[in-house]
Amino acid sequence: NAGVTQTPKFQVLKTGQSMTLQCAQDMNHEYMSWYRQDPGMGLRLIHYSVGAGITDQGEVPNGYNVSRSTTEDFPLRLLSAAPSQTSVYFCASSYGSAYNEQFFGPGTRLTVL
Amino acid sequence: GQQVMQIPQYQHVQEGEDFTTYCNSSTTLSNIQWYKQRPGGHPVFLIQLVKSGEVKKQKRLTFQFGEAKKNSSLHITATQTTDVGTYFCAGNYGGATNKLIFGTGTLLAVQP
Repeated sequence: NAGVTQTPKFQVLKTGQSMTLQCAQDMNHEYMSWYRQDPGMGLRLIHYSVGAGITDQGEVPNGYNVSRSTTEDFPLRLLSAAPSQTSVYFCASSYGSAYNEQFFGPGTRLTVL
Repeated sequence: GQQVMQIPQYQHVQEGEDFTTYCNSSTTLSNIQWYKQRPGGHPVFLIQLVKSGEVKKQKRLTFQFGEAKKNSSLHITATQTTDVGTYFCAGNYGGATNKLIFGTGTLLAVQP
């Protein structure tokens, strides 16, 4: 099993550009989530999903969209990137819910100029 | 809103010294999880605590969940250089919420 995979590993964008961060898992996990990590602020929850077709907002959802068309994939979309979105983004998955062990991907380091 | 505070933000110890990080929530938690993130890596699950007053041990690591289920601690005995990294607590608040809220983390540096 590959576990949780994320692409790309690194990305540089200009302000106003759009892009999609990809996340996939091969563990048949129902629950998937996106976090951003900034120095001194820990991991903050952006969006999460409890299953295909179901998504909900986390702590910091503004500027980000998600969809969950399959169990395996949970892409994160930035429609119009801003410098404040410069961060490291982690995708995570788990069996059933947030109450269980979360398996994290390797992360995507995004810089917005 | 639901917040999980963690202290200290940074701790530097000599190898062999003990280390403790503390986690506090203003509201009762349903459960709490602990993760470790090595420099340049991703968070890795360590343990989950569910019951009031629960204590769990993993070799040199001791995890506690407070009686009121609002606080937790991680204690490392006789630190080693392999303990270097950031330790995060993360809380679930139960009910209809299905979110895992992370603390700000404690970065542990160990000097050989």
